[in-house]
Amino acid sequence: QQQVKQSPQSLIVQKGGIPIINCAYENTAFDYFPWYQQFPGKGPALLIAIRPDVSEKKEGRFTISFNKSAKQFSLHIMDSQPGDSATYFCAASNSGGSNYKLTFGKGTLLTVNP
Amino acid sequence: ETGVTQSPTHLIKTRGQQVTLRCSSQSGHNTVSWYQQALGQGPQFIFQYYREEENGRGNFPPRFSGLQFPNYSSELNVNALELDDSALYLCASSLAGGFYEQYFGPGTRLTVT
Repeated sequence: QQQVKQSPQSLIVQKGGIPIINCAYENTAFDYFPWYQQFPGKGPALLIAIRPDVSEKKEGRFTISFNKSAKQFSLHIMDSQPGDSATYFCAASNSGGSNYKLTFGKGTLLTVNP
Repeated sequence: ETGVTQSPTHLIKTRGQQVTLRCSSQSGHNTVSWYQQALGQGPQFIFQYYREEENGRGNFPPRFSGLQFPNYSSELNVNALELDDSALYLCASSLAGGFYEQYFGPGTRLTVT
């Protein structure tokens, strides 16, 4: 059972475009939703995270939009740059559980062309 | 502040062998989680260690085991290696309790032949 579904699998945009990556979750107990950026050969790096008490969070060029009723959240990258080309993962966890394991989506390979 | 470090970077083992991977947590972090990332997939939770005890386990067989030491560093041990164990093994550190972010190390690339 895939608890976090991520789409699209890959995405190509031009420099300055606004790529949008979407995730949907099934477990209503999830209450923490981070996004990670991963470059080839590296570990995932935490980009931005949101909790369900807010509908939007911005950090620099990265914005998370959250829709609790639809159980969906998305990442928007404003003014994308070639250096943003990487694989992006959404994740979710439940703070009420005994541990705070992250359940990841399958990832989106983003390519930003110059 | 020191980030999460992992060793070795790469490892090649033969099917049936045993392997030990090591992780040093970020300064001030007392919880370590291990994840397996197969090629082209998202990381999958293996288990978490807090106060030197296993604190939750994902859907991995008992031949995956771990340790946490008093300085919060950790080891992942895998016995009887199988070809499907070939993956990037990631360690993440965090503070226990509540909404604390997990920070990942660079990973160990394990190849089983």
